[in-house]
Amino acid sequence: NAGVTQTPKFRVLKTGQSMTLLCAQDMNHEYMYWYRQDPGMGLRLIHYSVGEGTTAKGEVPDGYNVSRLKKQNFLLGLESAAPSQTSVYFCASSNIAGATEAFFGQGTRLTVV
Amino acid sequence: KQEVTQIPAALSVPEGENLVLNCSFTDSAIYNLQWFRQDPGKGLTSLLLIQSSQREQTSGRLNASLDKSSGRSTLYIAASQPGDSATYLCAVIRGGADGLTFGKGTHLIIQP
Repeated sequence: NAGVTQTPKFRVLKTGQSMTLLCAQDMNHEYMYWYRQDPGMGLRLIHYSVGEGTTAKGEVPDGYNVSRLKKQNFLLGLESAAPSQTSVYFCASSNIAGATEAFFGQGTRLTVV
Repeated sequence: KQEVTQIPAALSVPEGENLVLNCSFTDSAIYNLQWFRQDPGKGLTSLLLIQSSQREQTSGRLNASLDKSSGRSTLYIAASQPGDSATYLCAVIRGGADGLTFGKGTHLIIQP
């Protein structure tokens, strides 16, 4: 049972570089989410998707873009990385929003220098 | 805006004790509440999900209660073990596609 898989697990970027974080789920879930976790701030929602082809902004969307071209994948992009984007990023998915458990990936630890 | 608070922020107890972790939320119009466990450097593992119409859920030594009207939930851990050491996170969802709103967690250490 793979569940939610995030790629890569670790990454170091230089300021201004771009990268894409991949989230894949094999549970046929409709809803997918990207969060960031920072010390003292807890987990905060970046972007989310309610189904294939849809995306929406969360609490802290600035500096990030997302795409959901396939139901099982949710991509998070950083076009021009900044040190403030140093964080641990988590992807999550759920079947029916609010009614069923949310499942989380193992996280991507990103450092921007 | 929904705010979730977890008390205490940190807790260290000897093995074998029963303990209670607290979670409070400001907007009682929630759809469900979920408790997670997070080990250092790891992802979140779901422990219990309580629907807004329910008052409690149990799984093994864990029992979570929900008092929606007062905006409170508690996670009760019976007969604590060193393997229970982790950060415990409480999260609420209002419904629709809002995503989860998290508390900052309780860092729990169980001393052998």
